Amino acid sequence: DTAVSQTPKYLVTQMGNDKSIKCEQNLGHDTMYWYKQDSKKFLKIMFSYNNKELIINETVPNRFSPKSPDKAHLNLHINSLELGDSAVYFCASSQVASGVLAWQFFGPGTRLTVL
Amino acid sequence: DAKTTQPTSMDCAEGRAANLPCNHSTISGNEYVYWYRQIHSQGPQYIIHGLKNNETNEMASLIITEDRKSSTLILPHATLRDTAVYYCIVSNAGNNRKLIWGLGTSLAVNP
Repeated sequence: DTAVSQTPKYLVTQMGNDKSIKCEQNLGHDTMYWYKQDSKKFLKIMFSYNNKELIINETVPNRFSPKSPDKAHLNLHINSLELGDSAVYFCASSQVASGVLAWQFFGPGTRLTVL
Repeated sequence: DAKTTQPTSMDCAEGRAANLPCNHSTISGNEYVYWYRQIHSQGPQYIIHGLKNNETNEMASLIITEDRKSSTLILPHATLRDTAVYYCIVSNAGNNRKLIWGLGTSLAVNP
C-alpha cells in the first residue's frame, strides 16, 4: 500500500497553462506539506496544512494555491505556469504525537517541466 | 531554526560502517536532530531523529555529542543501496512543523 501518493508523476506543459498536482496519504496523519526541489537540489517548504487548515505559507507566488478537501488530501494548483516553475514537487505528511513533530513521509514526487 | 553544516560528499566501501558528521552549533534546547536521505529521483526517506540521547533503529544509529553541537549518523554495514544524499536537519518540534533542508552529504558506497 502506498503511504503518500502523487499524481501525475511527470507533467510537461506550456508556459501560461494552469495545472494541478494531487496528493493523497493513507497514514491517517493530520499534517500535509508541499515542497519544491529545484535543479540545484534544494528542498524548500512551500505550504503546510494541519487538519485542513493552512499553517505554513512560505514566500510563494500567489499563482500557487494549495487546496485541502480533507485531511488525507492536499492538492496544488498552479496558474499561469512559468519556466522557473520547472522542478520536482514533493508532497509529504506527518503526525504530531505528544507535542513532538514526528518524521515526515514523502511521496515519489512530480517532475514538472514547463516549456 | 538552527542551521546545519555537512560535508558535500563522502565515500564508503561496501560492508564497512559509514559515519556521516553534522555540525549544528546553534541548536536550541528544544530542537531535535533529524536525518533523512534521498536516493536518486525518489522522495526523501526518514532515517532517525533524537534530542539528547543516542538513538538506534533498524536503519542506523545517531550519536549526539553531549553539548549537542554536532552529531554523527552511522550506517553500520553500508550497502550499494545506501548510496544517497543524506540530510541532517534541526527543528523545533512544537507547532512549527517546518524543516529547513540544506544540500546534505552525497554518500557513495563503492563495491
